[in-house]
Amino acid sequence: AQRVTQPEKLLSVFKGAPVELKCNYSYSGSPELFWYVQYSRQRLQLLLRHISRESIKGFTADLNKGETSFHLKKPFAQEEDSAMYYCAFRDDKIIFGKGTRLHILP
Amino acid sequence: DAGITQSPRHKVTETGTPVTLRCHQTENHRYMYWYRQDPGHGLRLIHYSYGVKDTDKGEVSDGYSVSRSKTEDFLLTLESATSSQTSVYFCAIRGTASSYEQYFGPGTRLTVT
Repeated sequence: AQRVTQPEKLLSVFKGAPVELKCNYSYSGSPELFWYVQYSRQRLQLLLRHISRESIKGFTADLNKGETSFHLKKPFAQEEDSAMYYCAFRDDKIIFGKGTRLHILP
Repeated sequence: DAGITQSPRHKVTETGTPVTLRCHQTENHRYMYWYRQDPGHGLRLIHYSYGVKDTDKGEVSDGYSVSRSKTEDFLLTLESATSSQTSVYFCAIRGTASSYEQYFGPGTRLTVT
């Protein structure tokens, strides 16, 4: 069963516009969730995790247990944000969503 | 980059041949993972290891085997490569025992013709 769902394969946003990458999970307990990012020709890297409640590169993500969501948000998109973004969920292992490609339009 | 390297970085091989990919880490991490990355499928776990000689299957383990005879090396073997195994393969380590944050290698692009 799909534990992590990223409904958008591709998201195109104009530079300066707000960004929201959606992630929904299915789990009845207290999940541990992450966002990973992969820039072109680079390795995947951790962007943020919900436990630390930090903001990295202007991105934030809030765990909403009622909606079982962990959407990634940024108020003003920058061209360097263009990348592949993966939501990940901790079960006994890390389970990744299928990813969303974010394309920032000039 | 958490001291993770992968070799080779690119490989082209023929259907039916065995292929071994190597993941090497320099920081004595206990947990190591092999994923494949495919468009439309994201990252899928193939096998993982929780110590020397301790390995377990992931989501898509059929056609793959692994070995870990030393802490620093985690080998992924395709016993008889098929075109469906054309993919980008990533190795990862878990940063600490208490955290599930993962750090990834640079990837190996494998093409099976």
